Amino acid sequence: NAGVTQTPKFQVLKTGQSMTLQCAQDMNHEYMSWYRQDPGMGLRLIHYSVGAGITDQGEVPNGYNVSRSTTEDFPLRLLSAAPSQTSVYFCASSVLAGGQYEQYFGPGTRLTVT
Amino acid sequence: DAKTTQPNSMESNEEEPVHLPCNHSTISGTDYIHWYRQLPSQGPEYVIHGLTSNVNNRMASLAIAEDRKSSTLILHRATLRDAAVYYCILRPWDGGATNKLIFGTGTLLAVQP
Repeated sequence: NAGVTQTPKFQVLKTGQSMTLQCAQDMNHEYMSWYRQDPGMGLRLIHYSVGAGITDQGEVPNGYNVSRSTTEDFPLRLLSAAPSQTSVYFCASSVLAGGQYEQYFGPGTRLTVT
Repeated sequence: DAKTTQPNSMESNEEEPVHLPCNHSTISGTDYIHWYRQLPSQGPEYVIHGLTSNVNNRMASLAIAEDRKSSTLILHRATLRDAAVYYCILRPWDGGATNKLIFGTGTLLAVQP
């Protein structure tokens, strides 16, 4: 199993550009999430999905869109990048175990918006 | 969501046990205690979780106080690879409807050779 994969690893955008961060998992997990991590801070939830065709907002959804057309893929779209979106982005997929979800994280995408 | 308090940083020597504390005095009866860790330049990694009883797995042990207002993550024999930020997170049980984890700033563990 590759687990959770994210592409690209690094990206530099100019303000106003759009892009899609890719996330894929091969563990057949229903639950997937996107987080961002800013320097010196913990992770904050952007969007999540409980299964194909179902998405919902997390703590900091503004400026980001998601869709979930398959179980495997959960892309994150930035429609018009802003410097405030400079961050490291982590995708995670989750499995229910012992009454709680265990999350498996990808390696992250480091995004800089100039 | 109930809040957790962890020391900003701790140091340990290699091959010695490490006890990472977490206070959660406002924990409710349905809150599970989760621990994740984040190695440098990597995504977080699940470590362990528990509700009331102490828990063991291949990575660590979780000791939960009888009143559940605090817990301790125990690494039995620290290695250099255990140097990471350790997050203690409370997660309420909502029947599996959501899976929101609220990460704080965690404890930065340094392991000396």
